[in-house]
Amino acid sequence: DAGITQSPRHKVTETGTPVTLRCHQTENHRYMYWYRQDPGHGLRLIHYSYGVKDTDKGEVSDGYSVSRSKTEDFLLTLESATSSQTSVYFCAISESGDTQFFGPGTRLTVL
Amino acid sequence: AQSVSQHNHHVILSEAASLELGCNYSYGGTVNLFWYVQYPGQHLQLLLKYFSGDPLVKGIKGFEAEFIKSKFSFNLRKPSVQWSDTAEYFCAVLSGGSYIPTFGRGTSLIVHP
Repeated sequence: DAGITQSPRHKVTETGTPVTLRCHQTENHRYMYWYRQDPGHGLRLIHYSYGVKDTDKGEVSDGYSVSRSKTEDFLLTLESATSSQTSVYFCAISESGDTQFFGPGTRLTVL
Repeated sequence: AQSVSQHNHHVILSEAASLELGCNYSYGGTVNLFWYVQYPGQHLQLLLKYFSGDPLVKGIKGFEAEFIKSKFSFNLRKPSVQWSDTAEYFCAVLSGGSYIPTFGRGTSLIVHP
């Protein structure tokens, strides 16, 4: 498996609080992605990065922001968490922008 | 925009049955095609991929997929499923030059022993 870790793995938080999820890779891959997975919706892209400090929005970016200050870390921030953001969040990496390798996921519950 | 359809949302089979999961996409140009598998409680893993060449692609664990360009399809097959194949299967398509794949909504496969 590719060297990808996500932290935390589980989090319960309250509506209105900020939350930051971290994706860390040891593969030196250029591309990084954040997805959310919800029943009936499959995987939906939140944000992605094509290099350090180069990020862009995906299809469900409202309420989320990202940062990538170094190759190995891609942070996803929920500025003010809402119950609709309860989900499982997956980070993925790709060396060339084709095959993706996924992290173990973070299960986030917003009460 | 690119779209990917997985027509079978839920499939239930008995062990040793044959499997075929459908995947159709809408983009008419050059594509890279993928099948990912997600075992219960785990993350997605690559099952197989097609970039070019032989349209019949063999992947891990006895899976294969056939790219039929004229039908915009990339169906996944396995001649004899096992209980351990119980998982969710995702088809993904990457349009030529893009690095943002489009995923299908997934097919949940349950294999009864």
